[in-house]
Amino acid sequence: DTAVSQTPKYLVTQMGNDKSIKCEQNLGHDTMYWYKQDSKKFLKIMFSYNNKELIINETVPNRFSPKSPDKAHLNLHINSLELGDSAVYFCASSRGGGGLNEKLFFGSGTQLSVL
Amino acid sequence: GNSVTQMEGPVTLSEEAFLTINCTYTATGYPSLFWYVQYPGEGLQLLLKATKADDKGSNKGFEATYRKETTSFHLEKGSVQVSDSAVYFCALARGTSYGKLTFGQGTILTVHP
Repeated sequence: DTAVSQTPKYLVTQMGNDKSIKCEQNLGHDTMYWYKQDSKKFLKIMFSYNNKELIINETVPNRFSPKSPDKAHLNLHINSLELGDSAVYFCASSRGGGGLNEKLFFGSGTQLSVL
Repeated sequence: GNSVTQMEGPVTLSEEAFLTINCTYTATGYPSLFWYVQYPGEGLQLLLKATKADDKGSNKGFEATYRKETTSFHLEKGSVQVSDSAVYFCALARGTSYGKLTFGQGTILTVHP
């Protein structure tokens, strides 16, 4: 069983479109995250939700809107896609608040290509 | 703010060679330090961690020692295998950071038979 699963694995779309990436975890974790990995492999956090409540919202354009219908799901919706949005997006989860001793579990990533 | 700097890659080694990937950090106080590994086509996995100065994290033959005096957490392995080919990320966490890990830029390792 996949612990953290995200769909789709690949997403190719035109500039200006709206798209969503879904994420689900079956680990019973309280906290979920979205990370963005750019073409140079640099990884940066975007959002964090704890029990469906937004905890971290980094400096991300408001075209990006996370939605957590329940603590097992954290979806990412992106409006008006731009070329610079092309990246690999990773969903992750952790048991608690992801503090000093927390281990994060990552999904396998969604490669988004905006043409 | 917090930051993590890793050695530039890519690193290419022959099987059974010795591996070192350097990692230094900047943070106030006493962060926890981590190494994550990303195998091709997969998400990141925790490889090892250390939560206080002089701690040594180890897993799968990899080791890293938390050196507060040099603010470093270098990853080492005595004899690499082809299956170790992956991207390695050094990261730190401070306090109740809600998973706000600060990652280094990643180092691509390729091991040839």
